[in-house]
Amino acid sequence: DAKTTQPPSMDCAEGRAANLPCNHSTISGNEYVYWYRQIHSQGPQYIIHGLKNNETNEMASLIITEDRKSSTLILPHATLRDTAVYYCIVPRRSGYSTLTFGKGTMLLVSP
Amino acid sequence: DAGVTQSPTHLIKTRGQQVTLRCSPISGHKSVSWYQQVLGQGPQFIFQYYEKEERGRGNFPDRFSARQFPNYSSELNVNALLLGDSALYLCASSLDGQGTPGYTFGSGTRLTVV
Repeated sequence: DAKTTQPPSMDCAEGRAANLPCNHSTISGNEYVYWYRQIHSQGPQYIIHGLKNNETNEMASLIITEDRKSSTLILPHATLRDTAVYYCIVPRRSGYSTLTFGKGTMLLVSP
Repeated sequence: DAGVTQSPTHLIKTRGQQVTLRCSPISGHKSVSWYQQVLGQGPQFIFQYYEKEERGRGNFPDRFSARQFPNYSSELNVNALLLGDSALYLCASSLDGQGTPGYTFGSGTRLTVV
């Protein structure tokens, strides 16, 4: 898998935008960037993924730089329920796909 | 629709015993993957099965084995349990094993080995 680097922790005030960065400088041209999050004691939850273009869904937006070496996950209006560990992953694809989870970013949303 | 269901939710075993964990994927999903999450770490890949065949295996000893049934449900077996096998075991399902658009995880089985 392409290695990803994320800050270990971030803080965000409730109602503000949370911008979570990820570096993936060794990503290959056909590899996607995926974001998952894990709320305490639950299984990871898929958030969003992208290849080149910016993506948006009901949960978040994903901004990928033009050189694809980094990306930012944006939670536009963070709530207390968004407190979780956020993982940026570039899955290995070779007949099948697996997820290599790093340590992720612990996002703490405060009132 | 039911999500990914895992059973049991918690269990306690003694060192040296054997354990079987079960997973039912989302209806229509043909691939099941297993992950181990030790406290304070991210999940680690153990196995992936697709259409009843093993597609991939992570760096785990032969004490770990799994299988997938015709209805796409899966079992993870761990023999000769060690204290270090204490972890949250997660099952993830996907349509085809490529994880597109994303894997759906269950809530996990918390295994404690004493």
